[in-house]
Amino acid sequence: QSVLTQPPSVSAAPGQKVTISCSGSSSNIGNNYVSWYQQLPGAAPKLLIYEDNKRPSGIPDRFSGSKSGTSATLGITGLQTGDEADYYCGTWESSLSAGGVFGGGTKLTVL
Amino acid sequence: QVQLQESGPGLVKPSETLSLTCTVSGGSVSGSSYYWNWIRQPPGKGLEWIGYIYNSGSTKYNPSLKSRVTISVDTSKSQFSLNLSPATAADTAVYYCAGEPDSNSWMDFDSWGQGTLVTVSS
Repeated sequence: QSVLTQPPSVSAAPGQKVTISCSGSSSNIGNNYVSWYQQLPGAAPKLLIYEDNKRPSGIPDRFSGSKSGTSATLGITGLQTGDEADYYCGTWESSLSAGGVFGGGTKLTVL
Repeated sequence: QVQLQESGPGLVKPSETLSLTCTVSGGSVSGSSYYWNWIRQPPGKGLEWIGYIYNSGSTKYNPSLKSRVTISVDTSKSQFSLNLSPATAADTAVYYCAGEPDSNSWMDFDSWGQGTLVTVSS
């Protein structure tokens, strides 16, 4: 059971927009930055979003991040078949059990 | 970004020590610009943060693994290592090493190794 809650799967057609949610608490998302990762089949995760809404160099602006309270959202517009992957949110847990935490992951299917 | 490469045994017996090494190129393991992390992923499951080492000595571990984990650095070889003991079948996973720039935030891993599968079985 992950500390951060993501939907197991989402789907949308090519060219459409999709959002993936990540729900936490005041001890993690509520007081720390959120990052997002894309994991293509058989590959290592890749950083998509850091500090809630910033994109590393080379990440297209089709990917966006936002946060409100204890929840964060990854948005992907202009869906492509190559976006089909697992997506993970991550943040720091600041409670007595302090450490890095990830969401359970969301499988994106581009129909 | 730096380049990372994991190495170590692919098969470990239960109750023994799971040991992996990550070789860093394009950056220094001894400087204070990066946190050096280990992350794992059981087959078909999600990511789990194991811990980090920073500035050659400061460490932080996942509380659920803290009693069994040690992360260390060998600056002469530009490597950092993971020891997990005793290993159990539940430790079977793909293990990734990852680099995180020293910044205002956590869990921003901009550099990853390709991952190595470790199976714990007799």
